[in-house]
Amino acid sequence: RKEVEQDPGPFNVPEGATVAFNCTYSNSASQSFFWYRQDCRKEPKLLMSVYSSGNEDGRFTAQLNRASQYISLLIRDSKLSDSATYLCVVTKGKNTGFQKLVFGTGTRLLVSP
Amino acid sequence: DVKVTQSSRYLVKRTGEKVFLECVQDMDHENMFWYRQDPGLGLRLIYFSYDVKMKEKGDIPEGYSVSREKKERFSLILESASTNQTSMYLCASSLANWAGLVTQYFGPGTRLLVL
Repeated sequence: RKEVEQDPGPFNVPEGATVAFNCTYSNSASQSFFWYRQDCRKEPKLLMSVYSSGNEDGRFTAQLNRASQYISLLIRDSKLSDSATYLCVVTKGKNTGFQKLVFGTGTRLLVSP
Repeated sequence: DVKVTQSSRYLVKRTGEKVFLECVQDMDHENMFWYRQDPGLGLRLIYFSYDVKMKEKGDIPEGYSVSREKKERFSLILESASTNQTSMYLCASSLANWAGLVTQYFGPGTRLLVL
Protein backbone atom coordinates (compact mmCIF):
# COMPACT_ATOMS: atom_id res chain seq x y z
CA ARG A 1 0.00 0.00 0.00
CA LYS A 2 1.30 3.44 -0.90
CA GLU A 3 1.96 5.81 1.97
CA VAL A 4 -0.06 8.54 0.28
CA GLU A 5 -2.78 7.69 -2.23
CA GLN A 6 -4.54 9.99 -4.63
CA ASP A 7 -6.89 9.52 -7.56
CA PRO A 8 -4.70 10.41 -10.56
CA GLY A 9 -7.63 11.86 -12.52
CA PRO A 10 -7.80 13.75 -14.74
CA PHE A 11 -10.70 15.70 -13.39
CA ASN A 12 -12.22 17.62 -16.29
CA VAL A 13 -14.39 20.52 -15.14
CA PRO A 14 -15.79 23.68 -16.76
CA GLU A 15 -14.81 27.12 -15.59
CA GLY A 16 -16.75 28.14 -12.53
CA ALA A 17 -17.27 24.61 -11.26
CA THR A 18 -16.47 23.38 -7.81
CA VAL A 19 -14.15 20.39 -7.61
CA ALA A 20 -12.85 18.35 -4.70
CA PHE A 21 -9.89 16.02 -4.36
CA ASN A 22 -9.25 13.51 -1.61
CA CYS A 23 -6.08 11.92 -0.44
CA THR A 24 -5.52 9.12 2.08
CA TYR A 25 -2.37 8.45 4.06
CA SER A 26 -1.31 5.30 5.85
CA ASN A 27 1.01 6.53 8.60
CA SER A 28 -1.00 7.54 11.65
CA ALA A 29 2.15 9.21 13.04
CA SER A 30 2.13 11.83 10.29
CA GLN A 31 2.00 15.27 11.86
CA SER A 32 1.88 17.83 9.07
CA PHE A 33 -0.06 17.95 5.84
CA PHE A 34 0.16 20.03 2.71
CA TRP A 35 -1.14 20.50 -0.79
CA TYR A 36 1.44 21.35 -3.44
CA ARG A 37 0.62 22.39 -6.98
CA GLN A 38 2.69 21.33 -9.98
CA ASP A 39 2.16 22.86 -13.40
CA CYS A 40 3.07 20.86 -16.47
CA ARG A 41 6.85 20.45 -16.73
CA LYS A 42 7.42 22.75 -13.76
CA GLU A 43 8.49 22.27 -10.18
CA PRO A 44 6.05 21.70 -7.29
CA LYS A 45 5.07 24.75 -5.27
CA LEU A 46 3.31 24.91 -1.93
CA LEU A 47 -0.38 25.69 -2.34
CA MET A 48 -1.41 25.49 1.30
CA SER A 49 -0.80 23.73 4.56
CA VAL A 50 -3.65 21.72 6.05
CA TYR A 51 -4.60 22.28 9.65
CA SER A 52 -6.71 20.08 11.90
CA SER A 53 -9.44 22.68 12.09
CA GLY A 54 -9.56 23.09 8.34
CA ASN A 55 -8.40 26.20 6.57
CA GLU A 56 -9.36 28.38 3.66
CA ASP A 57 -7.35 30.52 1.29
CA GLY A 58 -9.53 32.36 -1.15
CA ARG A 59 -11.23 29.80 -3.39
CA PHE A 60 -9.30 26.92 -1.83
CA THR A 61 -10.37 25.00 1.26
CA ALA A 62 -8.39 22.20 2.86
CA GLN A 63 -9.69 19.73 5.41
CA LEU A 64 -8.03 17.06 7.52
CA ASN A 65 -9.71 14.03 9.03
CA ARG A 66 -7.19 12.35 11.31
CA ALA A 67 -9.54 9.57 12.39
CA SER A 68 -10.04 8.43 8.82
CA GLN A 69 -6.58 9.53 7.70
CA TYR A 70 -7.65 11.58 4.74
CA ILE A 71 -7.12 15.09 3.49
CA SER A 72 -9.27 16.99 1.05
CA LEU A 73 -8.90 20.03 -1.17
CA LEU A 74 -11.91 21.94 -2.45
CA ILE A 75 -11.60 24.46 -5.25
CA ARG A 76 -14.54 26.78 -5.83
CA ASP A 77 -15.22 28.83 -8.95
CA SER A 78 -12.52 27.03 -10.96
CA LYS A 79 -10.34 29.12 -13.26
CA LEU A 80 -8.47 28.03 -16.36
CA SER A 81 -5.28 28.82 -14.46
CA ASP A 82 -6.15 26.18 -11.86
CA SER A 83 -5.30 23.48 -14.40
CA ALA A 84 -2.39 21.64 -12.83
CA THR A 85 -1.49 18.54 -10.85
CA TYR A 86 -2.23 18.74 -7.13
CA LEU A 87 0.10 16.80 -4.87
CA CYS A 88 -0.94 15.65 -1.45
CA VAL A 89 2.02 15.71 0.95
CA VAL A 90 2.39 14.41 4.49
CA THR A 91 5.27 14.24 6.92
CA LYS A 92 6.72 10.86 7.64
CA GLY A 93 7.78 9.79 11.04
CA LYS A 94 7.37 10.46 14.67
CA ASN A 95 6.98 13.57 16.73
CA THR A 96 10.68 14.19 17.10
CA GLY A 97 13.52 14.40 14.70
CA PHE A 98 13.69 15.51 11.14
CA GLN A 99 10.39 15.12 9.38
CA LYS A 100 10.68 13.97 5.80
CA LEU A 101 7.91 14.65 3.32
CA VAL A 102 6.05 11.91 1.49
CA PHE A 103 4.43 12.97 -1.77
CA GLY A 104 1.39 11.50 -3.41
CA THR A 105 1.53 10.93 -7.14
CA GLY A 106 -0.88 13.78 -7.73
CA THR A 107 -4.35 14.46 -9.08
CA ARG A 108 -4.55 16.16 -12.43
CA LEU A 109 -7.12 18.92 -12.91
CA LEU A 110 -8.14 20.27 -16.31
CA VAL A 111 -10.40 23.32 -16.34
CA SER A 112 -11.99 24.06 -19.69
CA PRO A 113 -13.68 27.23 -21.01
CA ASP B 1 11.79 35.33 -3.31
CA VAL B 2 13.54 32.07 -2.64
CA LYS B 3 15.51 30.92 -5.59
CA VAL B 4 16.70 27.38 -6.12
CA THR B 5 18.66 26.80 -9.29
CA GLN B 6 19.84 23.61 -10.89
CA SER B 7 22.83 23.43 -13.21
CA SER B 8 21.04 21.89 -16.19
CA ARG B 9 17.45 21.60 -17.39
CA TYR B 10 18.21 18.70 -19.72
CA LEU B 11 21.07 16.24 -19.68
CA VAL B 12 21.88 13.24 -21.84
CA LYS B 13 24.51 10.79 -20.61
CA ARG B 14 25.70 7.32 -21.51
CA THR B 15 25.55 4.25 -19.33
CA GLY B 16 28.54 4.09 -17.02
CA GLU B 17 29.29 7.81 -17.06
CA LYS B 18 29.72 9.74 -13.84
CA VAL B 19 27.07 12.43 -13.60
CA PHE B 20 27.03 15.53 -11.42
CA LEU B 21 23.84 17.45 -10.75
CA GLU B 22 24.33 20.76 -8.98
CA CYS B 23 21.84 22.72 -6.93
CA VAL B 24 22.25 26.17 -5.44
CA GLN B 25 19.89 28.08 -3.16
CA ASP B 26 20.17 31.72 -2.23
CA MET B 27 18.09 31.90 0.96
CA ASP B 28 20.56 30.57 3.50
CA HIS B 29 18.43 27.49 4.08
CA GLU B 30 19.82 24.79 6.32
CA ASN B 31 18.05 21.87 4.69
CA MET B 32 18.51 20.68 1.13
CA PHE B 33 17.01 17.69 -0.63
CA TRP B 34 17.29 15.66 -3.79
CA TYR B 35 14.24 13.92 -5.21
CA ARG B 36 13.49 12.06 -8.38
CA GLN B 37 10.08 12.14 -9.99
CA ASP B 38 8.78 9.36 -12.18
CA PRO B 39 5.31 8.85 -13.69
CA GLY B 40 3.09 6.85 -11.38
CA LEU B 41 5.63 6.95 -8.56
CA GLY B 42 5.60 10.60 -7.60
CA LEU B 43 8.50 12.32 -5.89
CA ARG B 44 10.85 10.05 -4.01
CA LEU B 45 13.56 11.30 -1.67
CA ILE B 46 17.08 10.26 -2.60
CA TYR B 47 19.20 12.13 -0.04
CA PHE B 48 18.91 15.15 2.18
CA SER B 49 21.25 17.34 4.15
CA TYR B 50 20.51 19.44 7.23
CA ASP B 51 23.91 21.10 7.49
CA VAL B 52 27.18 21.52 5.69
CA LYS B 53 28.97 18.19 5.30
CA MET B 54 25.95 16.39 6.80
CA LYS B 55 23.93 13.97 4.72
CA GLU B 56 21.22 11.43 5.32
CA LYS B 57 19.86 8.73 3.08
CA GLY B 58 16.35 9.09 1.83
CA ASP B 59 14.12 6.33 0.54
CA ILE B 60 16.06 5.43 -2.61
CA PRO B 61 19.78 6.25 -2.13
CA GLU B 62 21.17 3.27 -4.04
CA GLY B 63 23.32 4.31 -6.96
CA TYR B 64 23.62 7.90 -5.76
CA SER B 65 25.86 9.94 -3.52
CA VAL B 66 25.78 13.58 -2.45
CA SER B 67 28.11 16.33 -1.39
CA ARG B 68 27.48 19.47 0.62
CA GLU B 69 30.66 21.43 1.05
CA LYS B 70 28.97 24.82 1.27
CA LYS B 71 25.64 25.76 2.78
CA GLU B 72 24.17 27.00 -0.47
CA ARG B 73 25.22 24.11 -2.68
CA PHE B 74 24.10 20.47 -2.71
CA SER B 75 25.37 18.11 -5.38
CA LEU B 76 23.94 14.79 -6.48
CA ILE B 77 26.36 12.31 -8.01
CA LEU B 78 25.57 9.27 -10.09
CA GLU B 79 28.80 7.30 -9.85
CA SER B 80 28.00 5.10 -12.84
CA ALA B 81 24.82 6.11 -14.61
CA SER B 82 22.36 3.42 -15.57
CA THR B 83 19.28 3.53 -17.77
CA ASN B 84 16.99 3.11 -14.77
CA GLN B 85 18.26 6.45 -13.49
CA THR B 86 16.58 8.22 -16.38
CA SER B 87 14.24 10.57 -14.56
CA MET B 88 13.39 14.11 -13.55
CA TYR B 89 15.61 15.21 -10.67
CA LEU B 90 14.36 17.93 -8.36
CA CYS B 91 16.35 19.76 -5.75
CA ALA B 92 14.64 21.52 -2.84
CA SER B 93 15.61 23.58 0.16
CA SER B 94 13.94 24.68 3.38
CA LEU B 95 14.64 26.36 6.66
CA ALA B 96 15.50 24.16 9.59
CA ASN B 97 12.43 22.97 11.43
CA TRP B 98 12.48 19.50 12.81
CA ALA B 99 8.72 19.30 12.94
CA GLY B 100 8.51 19.51 9.18
CA LEU B 101 6.34 22.59 9.32
CA VAL B 102 8.28 24.53 6.76
CA THR B 103 7.86 24.95 3.04
CA GLN B 104 10.21 23.17 0.71
CA TYR B 105 11.17 25.28 -2.29
CA PHE B 106 12.00 23.41 -5.44
CA GLY B 107 14.35 24.08 -8.29
CA PRO B 108 13.14 23.80 -11.90
CA GLY B 109 14.37 20.23 -12.23
CA THR B 110 16.84 18.40 -14.44
CA ARG B 111 15.54 15.90 -16.95
CA LEU B 112 18.23 13.24 -17.22
CA LEU B 113 18.26 10.71 -20.01
CA VAL B 114 20.73 7.84 -19.71
CA LEU B 115 21.32 5.97 -22.95
